[in-house]
Amino acid sequence: EPEVTQTPSHQVTQMGQEVILRCVPISNHLYFYWYRQILGQKVEFLVSFYNNEISEKSEIFDDQFSVERPDGSNFTLKIRSTKLEDSAMYFCASRTGLAGYNEQFFGPGTRLTVL
Amino acid sequence: DAKTTQPTSMDCAEGRAANLPCNHSTISGNEYVYWYRQIHSQGPQYIIHGLKNNETNEMASLIITEDRKSSTLILPHATLRDTAVYYCIVLPSGGGADGLTFGKGTHLIIQP
Repeated sequence: EPEVTQTPSHQVTQMGQEVILRCVPISNHLYFYWYRQILGQKVEFLVSFYNNEISEKSEIFDDQFSVERPDGSNFTLKIRSTKLEDSAMYFCASRTGLAGYNEQFFGPGTRLTVL
Repeated sequence: DAKTTQPTSMDCAEGRAANLPCNHSTISGNEYVYWYRQIHSQGPQYIIHGLKNNETNEMASLIITEDRKSSTLILPHATLRDTAVYYCIVLPSGGGADGLTFGKGTHLIIQP
């Protein structure tokens, strides 16, 4: 069964450093998403991406964040200058383009630790 | 999007049916009810969705009241692996690129 994959599974970085989290969505999917979950808190939507541009973003997704689909398979989230509060689990998700069908498939997540 | 209300936690014995309620009294006519769950530390997982008719798939059944103001997710024979946080989410039918808004959900604990 096709699945969303994410790398790395765990990333440790120093405050102020740039990080890139990588995702490979399911191959025929058209919508791509990033979510985050701070430890012990709820899953929060960050951004959605469709047709090579951002469709929707939350208040969390400020100028420090960017997304890119550099080729036909990868979808990346970049944090330009990490802060301690960026420590969280980051989930990538994707879904088909079927109208009215919002079954999102989530990856296993990348745990980001900012020291 | 319509707001949903779920109990904070529930217990269920292994092998029994788990019935998880959700209130969505402000749901509008073009909004679907979706259920997702998150097993500890894993990515959320889609379970089922419906508009107004009852739905069933290999994981669960969804019962939506006639006035659509509430719904119940039924796991017919709960196993220990069904211990998770279950989220009821209301979404417009257009879908589009809408991100999911997760509330606190119901923490379902399956007891051996």
